[in-house]
Amino acid sequence: GIQVEQSPPDLILQEGANSTLRCNFSDSVNNLQWFHQNPWGQLINLFYIPSGTKQNGRLSATTVATERYSLLYISSSQTTDSGVYFCALTQGGSEKLVFGKGMKLTVNP
Amino acid sequence: NAGVTQTPKFRILKIGQSMTLQCTQDMNHNYMYWYRQDPGMGLKLIYYSVGAGITDKGEVPNGYNVSRTTTEDFPLRLELAAPSQTSVYFCASSSTDSGANVLTFGAGSRLTVL
Repeated sequence: GIQVEQSPPDLILQEGANSTLRCNFSDSVNNLQWFHQNPWGQLINLFYIPSGTKQNGRLSATTVATERYSLLYISSSQTTDSGVYFCALTQGGSEKLVFGKGMKLTVNP
Repeated sequence: NAGVTQTPKFRILKIGQSMTLQCTQDMNHNYMYWYRQDPGMGLKLIYYSVGAGITDKGEVPNGYNVSRTTTEDFPLRLELAAPSQTSVYFCASSSTDSGANVLTFGAGSRLTVL
């Protein structure tokens, strides 16, 4: 099956710093999403981005499908950005959305 | 709209007991999913459904069963609970109407098997 790798696995930032999260995948995809899981366990969809670039406030995401990676940018980080970030994707005609292991972000005040 | 509602939020089972995790959504989504998340790990897909009457196995289906008799409901049945099934379970739903299959998650159900 498709392999999903996220890096870095852990990141600690001071409030106001910028960060880039990377998701590498092993084959072509037709559905790629980024999720944030807050410290209370709630999962929220951030972006649906199988290709191209999208922005939502301080967050933006870019997927380069031909090179098999996606990036999530967080600018001017806030303590509320803390949590775990997951990328998830499907391959080919499959509807199975497979998750990466996640990246834990801690933003200190 | 309530979104995706899971019950119960917490449950402790003894080894060998059975139980059903309930999941209901009020968004008329055609797709529904069950994931489990072990501590410090990502989410693993247990079962999914693309519509009423249709279910399929995910990555880790052993020890679980599902049914989808209505669009709204997608219960997950655990038969003969084992300690390895201690986990947090998430139900999710999505719609393919817009072409973007974006998942909405429930709040999760924490299950402990002792």
